[in-house]
Amino acid sequence: GEDVEQSLFLSVREGDSSVINCTYTDSSSTYLYWYKQEPGAGLQLLTYIFSNMDMKQDQRLTVLLNKKDKHLSLRIADTQTGDSAIYFCAENRAGNMLTFGGGTRLMVKP
Amino acid sequence: GAVVSQHPSRVICKSGTSVKIECRSLDFQATTMFWYRQFPKQSLMLMATSNEGSKATYEQGVEKDKFLINHASLTLSTLTVASAHPEDSSFYICSASPRGSNQPQHFGDGTRLSIL
Repeated sequence: GEDVEQSLFLSVREGDSSVINCTYTDSSSTYLYWYKQEPGAGLQLLTYIFSNMDMKQDQRLTVLLNKKDKHLSLRIADTQTGDSAIYFCAENRAGNMLTFGGGTRLMVKP
Repeated sequence: GAVVSQHPSRVICKSGTSVKIECRSLDFQATTMFWYRQFPKQSLMLMATSNEGSKATYEQGVEKDKFLINHASLTLSTLTVASAHPEDSSFYICSASPRGSNQPQHFGDGTRLSIL
């Protein structure tokens, strides 16, 4: 199986909160990242968290890290239709290499 | 800051053509750039790691004679798909990290390659 795992799909209504979950396996990862990919585009770095942090908030985005369980989540408050995209979590390895999860497709219904 | 520019965004060409894709870091120096391939509805697959001034490191199963990587400067890496065939059609994405450890990767907008 993949080293980094995510659920495939999430559907929410506009204005609700979205929570995208991710589990990883490498306990030596120092940073964990969330990227957003819109159709036909590259990846946009949304936020990242250092492994000694439990939480990081940046406007509508909140990242929670449970290092013991190797669980990472991204919460998007007041989800908008423009948030519809694929979200990838990633952990860094030696040499700044990233291991990506399979991506979670977020669909926001008006 | 940390903008990565990738060109071209879309290529359509005949089988047997060689295609060059450029990846530039516009506002930072990148000693390391990465090339990925993404199949529809799948995650990114790392093809190779490109280091300035040295040979690229290819992932297992990636043909180095088919996917030629040149990282001639701290701001430019190129991927050339040699004698492309329909099975090479895919979405190719590059990324670059600023100097220093644990720097996040910043991605280009990708190149959609379609070989007829």
